[in-house]
Parts: sequence; structure tokens; C-alpha cells
Amino acid sequence: AQSVSQHNHHVILSEAASLELGCNYSYGGTVNLFWYVQYPGQHLQLLLKYFSGDPLVKGIKGFEAEFIKSKFSFNLRKPSVQWSDTAEYFCAVTQRDSSYKLIFGSGTRLLVRP
Amino acid sequence: EPEVTQTPSHQVTQMGQEVILRCVPISNHLYFYWYRQILGQKVEFLVSFYNNEISEKSEIFDDQFSVERPDGSNFTLKIRSTKLEDSAMYFCASSEKANTGELFFGEGSRLTVL
Repeated sequence: AQSVSQHNHHVILSEAASLELGCNYSYGGTVNLFWYVQYPGQHLQLLLKYFSGDPLVKGIKGFEAEFIKSKFSFNLRKPSVQWSDTAEYFCAVTQRDSSYKLIFGSGTRLLVRP
Repeated sequence: EPEVTQTPSHQVTQMGQEVILRCVPISNHLYFYWYRQILGQKVEFLVSFYNNEISEKSEIFDDQFSVERPDGSNFTLKIRSTKLEDSAMYFCASSEKANTGELFFGEGSRLTVL
């Protein structure tokens, strides 16, 4: 069965620190990849997505992610975090052209200290 | 910005009771979804709905569950006879296109079964 693994459950950083959140998926077919974010008290919202093309994708608020097919990874990065980035981050996958469902990772809670 | 709205935000019910969770998707979206997140666990896909019928459902979505679009705006999830293990946050989502994973989520309905 397909699965998505996020390696860090909780991350605490100071403002201006660099961020990298790991995500690996297990599925041999063609996938679409996503990072969703849930700010405190708010709904899940799309941060960025990868369908095809340049494996380095840029999303909102200065976030980017790199798809490395050989490693089945889609890690999220931000060079310099802000207090407002405090949120829970979810990696997710869909199987392209065969399924409607998003398969989520377990999420990473990021706390950015001012 | 258009958003998905869900009601109620929190419902407490007795085991065995029927529960209906309501969602108003974004108006021009054609695809509708329910996900749930049991406390401390992953966000899990329940069902997707398009053109007035279920397009995909997970193993979790057994005969206890049903979905309906009773009018042009609402999308409901019914749990016929709730069990303790149905306690979770239920998220409604909608999308304009199929199989892109670009979902717009509501803020969730927390269901507590006693």
C-alpha cells in the first residue's frame, strides 16, 4: 500500500534559521506531490505542488521543495523561517491518473521562536 | 477568497446515534471529499464524490457512512450509528478539477462520541 513518511514530528527553530522537513513516499508509479500547511486554528491549505517538469518547485511564503525521484523524496525547505511559519506541515501524494485520494504523511509541527 | 465551510464545528453525541456533518463547498467546484483525522493519527481519505455519485471510497467508508448532495450547495456526511472510534476531526474538501490533489479544505468538524 502507498504510504507517506515524515521524519520529524516536532521541530523547534529560532527565527531566521533554515528549515528542511523530510518527506518520503512509497509508490512505484507516477505521482503528484504536495505540501499542505495548517496554521493554528485554520484549515489545511496548499503550500506547493509538483506534477512534472522542474523538480525544484516554489510555493507561497518563500517555501520550496525538491522532488528527488531516485530517493522517493519531496523535502520542504525555507532558507529563513519567521515566527508566522509556526504551523503543522503535511506532505501528501496522489497516484496520477488513477485515484482521487490524497495520501497524507503524519505531519510535522513546526514552532518558530521569535 | 472563497472557502469551504463546515458545520457544526464541534458535535458531541452518544454511541449509536446518527450524526450528519454538513459542508458547503466552493461554488464552482465539482469534486467533493471527506477526510478524517483521529487524534494523533494521520489525515485519512474517506470518500470522493462527483456528479452525484461516489467516485472513490476507502476501506474506512463502510455501510455506516453515506454522503449526499441534497441540494445545489450542501454536501453531507452521515454516520448512521456512531461508535467510539468514530471520534475524530472530519474535514470536507472540494476541488475544481479531478485527480490534481489541489483541494480546498474546510476547518473541520470535531466529532466526539461518548
